[in-house]
Amino acid sequence: AQRVTQPEKLLSVFKGAPVELKCNYSYSGSPELFWYVQYSRQRLQLLLRHISRESIKGFTADLNKGETSFHLKKPFAQEEDSAMYYCALSGRQGAQKLVFGQGTRLTINP
Amino acid sequence: DAGITQSPRHKVTETGTPVTLRCHQTENHRYMYWYRQDPGHGLRLIHYSYGVKDTDKGEVSDGYSVSRSKTEDFLLTLESATSSQTSVYFCAISERNGGGELFFGEGSRLTVL
Repeated sequence: AQRVTQPEKLLSVFKGAPVELKCNYSYSGSPELFWYVQYSRQRLQLLLRHISRESIKGFTADLNKGETSFHLKKPFAQEEDSAMYYCALSGRQGAQKLVFGQGTRLTINP
Repeated sequence: DAGITQSPRHKVTETGTPVTLRCHQTENHRYMYWYRQDPGHGLRLIHYSYGVKDTDKGEVSDGYSVSRSKTEDFLLTLESATSSQTSVYFCAISERNGGGELFFGEGSRLTVL
């Protein structure tokens, strides 16, 4: 079974500080991992996916298969990063559905 | 924003009444999904569709049914609404299942009294 765990419901950091949103997953096969973000009054949207290995809005995430983690990181938080963040997982084979974690609400304090 | 619209956006109903939520897309994407969003649970998949008249259950499908008679429309029906179905419902679409990017609607807030 696929499972995604985001241990922090709420995370608050100061502007300019580093931020890390944790995500752990459970999946027996080879996973595809994603981070989705929902800004205030906007639709849920894809932030980044592990296969593209890119940095979006200063955020990066590395898939660590040994620790089954896909933590989202940004070295210097900005106020516009305040949002709800969801980690999501999809299996690569067969009929796949995107399974989401519980979400972390990130607040950047000025 | 991808061409996805949900209706109604807000609805208040009473326990035991039927409710239908509609998702309409103009992107001609094959896959469509219904999720519910609840505090502490994140988004949970209710049902999804991989083509016209082709649907399957998600992890929280009890009490819900879906239909897809046209590529562009995916309906979610609560035959007899209960208070536990008070939630925000999101429709999403994708070109391919799982590994593709999901595009979400704005959500439909349902309150069952």
